[in-house]
Amino acid sequence: DTAVSQTPKYLVTQMGNDKSIKCEQNLGHDTMYWYKQDSKKFLKIMFSYNNKELIINETVPNRFSPKSPDKAHLNLHINSLELGDSAVYFCASSRAGVNRLNYGYTFGSGTRLTVV
Amino acid sequence: GNSVTQMEGPVTLSEEAFLTINCTYTATGYPSLFWYVQYPGEGLQLLLKATKADDKGSNKGFEATYRKETTSFHLEKGSVQVSDSAVYFCALSVTSGSRLTFGEGTQLTVNP
Repeated sequence: DTAVSQTPKYLVTQMGNDKSIKCEQNLGHDTMYWYKQDSKKFLKIMFSYNNKELIINETVPNRFSPKSPDKAHLNLHINSLELGDSAVYFCASSRAGVNRLNYGYTFGSGTRLTVV
Repeated sequence: GNSVTQMEGPVTLSEEAFLTINCTYTATGYPSLFWYVQYPGEGLQLLLKATKADDKGSNKGFEATYRKETTSFHLEKGSVQVSDSAVYFCALSVTSGSRLTFGEGTQLTVNP
């Protein structure tokens, strides 16, 4: 019954490899996000999709490519992995409120990516 | 642009001590404000939120009041427990469905 689920939870891979992280939400939310948490715990948004449409694309290397096949899924594909990509990646989702009502954001449990 | 500033950590307290973690923000419009908590090895959980000025969010003994005049949303708890040891993040969003902008996070350690 997990609301926002990410797979895998841990990912250890060599430099230069290509890998994907998958995210699914069963909350009926219409917006999904990818955040990156660095070693100092700082959280920074990478991408956001609303109903399968890309709406936020921060300054992220183009080796990172999000894909949203439907509004319940947002996957992250990373090409040519580098040591500096090592981090925890969080998926999140939210739903639009009316009259400035903000319901908040639900996060997945994270994917710890280690590039060796 | 929008930004959130939290007090620097780490914060170390003894059990039953009073906790305050300061948070101030800069934003256009009328943001909603949040506190998230991250326990060791886990994801982020929403702790509490407030969507308009003077609202007080509360949960699990934690409280924070949205102060527009001081652009602050300080987190408080009257008596912390060892189980409260975690990283606490203050965050804002300007509209529902827009990005969350996070503060740097404050590591809290509570000793028995």
